[in-house]
Amino acid sequence: GESVGLHLPTLSVQEGDNSIINCAYSNSASDYFIWYKQESGKGPQFIIDIRSNMDKRQGQRVTVLLNKTVKHLSLQIAATQPGDSAVYFCAETPLPNAGGTSYGKLTFGQGTILTVHP
Amino acid sequence: DSGVTQTPKHLITATGQRVTLRCSPRSGDLSVYWYQQSLDQGLQFLIHYYNGEERAKGNILERFSAQQFPDLHSELNLSSLELGDSALYFCASNPGARPYNEQFFGPGTRLTVL
Repeated sequence: GESVGLHLPTLSVQEGDNSIINCAYSNSASDYFIWYKQESGKGPQFIIDIRSNMDKRQGQRVTVLLNKTVKHLSLQIAATQPGDSAVYFCAETPLPNAGGTSYGKLTFGQGTILTVHP
Repeated sequence: DSGVTQTPKHLITATGQRVTLRCSPRSGDLSVYWYQQSLDQGLQFLIHYYNGEERAKGNILERFSAQQFPDLHSELNLSSLELGDSALYFCASNPGARPYNEQFFGPGTRLTVL
């Protein structure tokens, strides 16, 4: 039978522009929200995380915004460069359980393909 | 280079067979995580080991098993393989300290089941 593949959202920007990648989540009982980047042929790479009790966190050229009211997470990349071209995944970790065994259990979203044109 | 190594890089096998994927974590990391990445399911958490003990399980099939050895390397065993098991399998590691969000991923093993 025919397999159904994920149809990833795409974002195409010019070098030097700012990029905004969005993610909607459904689990209100998450502890952290995280962004990962996956370049072609490589494993995912951690970018930045934000705890559920925060609404904004900044890193180097990146800012993550969390809106718990509408269950929305975004990643802003300033002055986007061709090297930023990749698939970007949002992920979440659950609140710690009594046994502490929920740590590290990342649940990933479907991903967004970012293409940066020189 | 994340410092995590995975072997083999590619694996082609037939339905019904059994394979073992190997992962060596970064030096000093106690936690190892396994993920499956497929076209239809995306990136899915399978299992987490910390210092030789299983800590968390995801939607890992009963045909799949893993272990972490005293030298901290880990193996993922996949048996009675089906066509749908074809995927990229990633191993990740980190020191194992909370909150565990930053995981260092290896380059992956691409499994093709024919």
